[in-house]
Amino acid sequence: TQLLEQSPQFLSIQEGENLTVYCNSSSVFSSLQWYRQEPGEGPVLLVTVVTGGEVKKLKRLTFQFGDARKDSSLHITAAQPGDTGLYLCAGERDTGRRALTFGSGTRLQVQP
Amino acid sequence: KAGVTQTPRYLIKTRGQQVTLSCSPISGHRSVSWYQQTPGQGLQFLFEYFSETQRNKGNFPGRFSGRQFSNSRSEMNVSTLELGDSALYLCASSFSGGLSYEQYFGPGTRLTVT
Repeated sequence: TQLLEQSPQFLSIQEGENLTVYCNSSSVFSSLQWYRQEPGEGPVLLVTVVTGGEVKKLKRLTFQFGDARKDSSLHITAAQPGDTGLYLCAGERDTGRRALTFGSGTRLQVQP
Repeated sequence: KAGVTQTPRYLIKTRGQQVTLSCSPISGHRSVSWYQQTPGQGLQFLFEYFSETQRNKGNFPGRFSGRQFSNSRSEMNVSTLELGDSALYLCASSFSGGLSYEQYFGPGTRLTVT
């Protein structure tokens, strides 16, 4: 069982559509990050959220951290083909040691 | 600042051989982590080094080992390669002193074991 569950696992949409990706856990995280990975490359950090209820916007991407710091969502408005990639959430638990737990990922394909 | 670099980018090895992968972190980052990424298992944590000491370790067999040098560069070694070791090996560096533990990844080394 994954500590961080992402849904959906796969998403294929048309350019211009909106979408939301979810990252859920039963554990509390001190911070949560979202990454995007393109084929053959390493993940690239998009955003970090640290406060329960926090909302951050990055152009057409909106990230939200749940009030209880157990879940997060990524919403993309008017998706473009350049948004295609693997989206990964990763959480840091407040265990006193610095380590990240990654979700299984959501593979997004945006068709032109 | 230059990003995280990994060498080589691609590697083909035969079962039973050993391999060494190299990672140079972002300047000023003292923490280096290694991950294995496969289609079936996703991104799995191997180990983390900080100031030349292994600070955290994932659930991988002892065939997987690493080290970090005084300039923070790190190497990862896999001995007695198995077919299942075929994967993208990612190195990530972090500042480790901030409020949150953000990882900056290199492009990875694609290892194929035949």
